[in-house]
Amino acid sequence: DGGITQSPKYLFRKEGQNVTLSCEQNLNHDAMYWYRQDPGQGLRLIYYSQIVNDFQKGDIAEGYSVSREKKESFPLTVTSAQKNPTAFYLCASKAQGAEAFFGQGTRLTVV
Amino acid sequence: AQSVAQPEDQVNVAEGNPLTVKCTYSVSGNPYLFWYVQYPNRGLQFLLKYITGDNLVKGSYGFEAEFNKSQTSFHLKKPSALVSDSALYFCAVRDGNSGNTPLVFGKGTRLSVIA
Repeated sequence: DGGITQSPKYLFRKEGQNVTLSCEQNLNHDAMYWYRQDPGQGLRLIYYSQIVNDFQKGDIAEGYSVSREKKESFPLTVTSAQKNPTAFYLCASKAQGAEAFFGQGTRLTVV
Repeated sequence: AQSVAQPEDQVNVAEGNPLTVKCTYSVSGNPYLFWYVQYPNRGLQFLLKYITGDNLVKGSYGFEAEFNKSQTSFHLKKPSALVSDSALYFCAVRDGNSGNTPLVFGKGTRLSVIA
């Protein structure tokens, strides 16, 4: 069953703690993306990767880090430097010239 | 640089009536345009896209959109709204000349279909 899987669905972070959000796809897509969604602000790009072992910062990369060691995987780490991490995080992947496919999202809450 | 404007935060329509969700865009190269829908606490689902060809694009669930180059618009339409169409709708654009660069999204329009 092809698709893009994000885990966990819900995540709670304590102040000062790093957490990692998982994103895996079996669609053989080269490009993968992380977006952050806040109410009334739409989707804002955090990081993206067009090929394995390469990634670029998006509009709001501060306080986040990523890796792309495998084509299938693009994990996002929310570091303690991110001062307002509570949000809904969406991962997407796409093939060249095609539409993007999205995962079901991870809701991160700081407690 | 690309940008998308969705001028309405909320659109209300009665069930059975036609609906329109507006989108205008700005892109330096060739516009690739997309509409996505989001239900609560879910990811985005692809509805339709314009890459090239006919200006009227038909998509999933009876939705269609019209590409208007002179007005730089890509409004989403449906002839007869259903209560189940109530959701958050996003328009997105990217420059078609630039490979796998990311989509740029509008802020979304919440559609409410009233029975």
